[in-house]
Amino acid sequence: DAKTTQPTSMDCAEGRAANLPCNHSTISGNEYVYWYRQIHSQGPQYIIHGLKNNETNEMASLIITEDRKSSTLILPHATLRDTAVYYCIVRVVLSYGGSQGNLIFGKGTKLSVKP
Amino acid sequence: EAQVTQNPRYLITVTGKKLTVTCSQNMNHEYMSWYRQDPGLGLRQIYYSMNVEVTDKGDVPEGYKVSRKEKRNFPLILESPSPNQTSLYFCASSLRGGSNTYEQYFGPGTRLTVT
Repeated sequence: DAKTTQPTSMDCAEGRAANLPCNHSTISGNEYVYWYRQIHSQGPQYIIHGLKNNETNEMASLIITEDRKSSTLILPHATLRDTAVYYCIVRVVLSYGGSQGNLIFGKGTKLSVKP
Repeated sequence: EAQVTQNPRYLITVTGKKLTVTCSQNMNHEYMSWYRQDPGLGLRQIYYSMNVEVTDKGDVPEGYKVSRKEKRNFPLILESPSPNQTSLYFCASSLRGGSNTYEQYFGPGTRLTVT
């Protein structure tokens, strides 16, 4: 079972920031938070990941609460092309790999960016 | 261009007729995986492979086989397809070991219909 809880759907106006929440109250100390997105029927696309510090890359920012029980993915200026299902995933990252490295997808949040 | 390719992209077949969906990656990734995606169920892992000749079951392996004879290829085999295997299938690959970024790259998907 997925260890995360996300809203089923969200709307965002084009050009505005999209803030997607994720609850992961049972996260362990060695589990990372990953975000992927899937644009209609395409393969999922990696967005960002973090352990406990906030992270930013060219696509998005990831804000993780101090207790690590929740996080927020921020798309700073959403465009119509950001309409997709966004998945929040927690997983252990091991230096030698292993089954704990497998991705377990939940149902995600369907983000609709509207003009 | 770094990519994961799958073939065929679309396939309609009949019950019991053996089929193979190919997956190939050009990134020298050690880890490869197969997922199926069904409405309301999200992505579920079928099989994964940590390296050549090393494969293991995911969450829904029944009715599927895989092989990993070469690093770049990870075919999915349905020996006797049934209608409940009608689904959208994704292959994925990632680096393994010595990296804290287990970003998985996904293929474009194969839509399989079994009648």
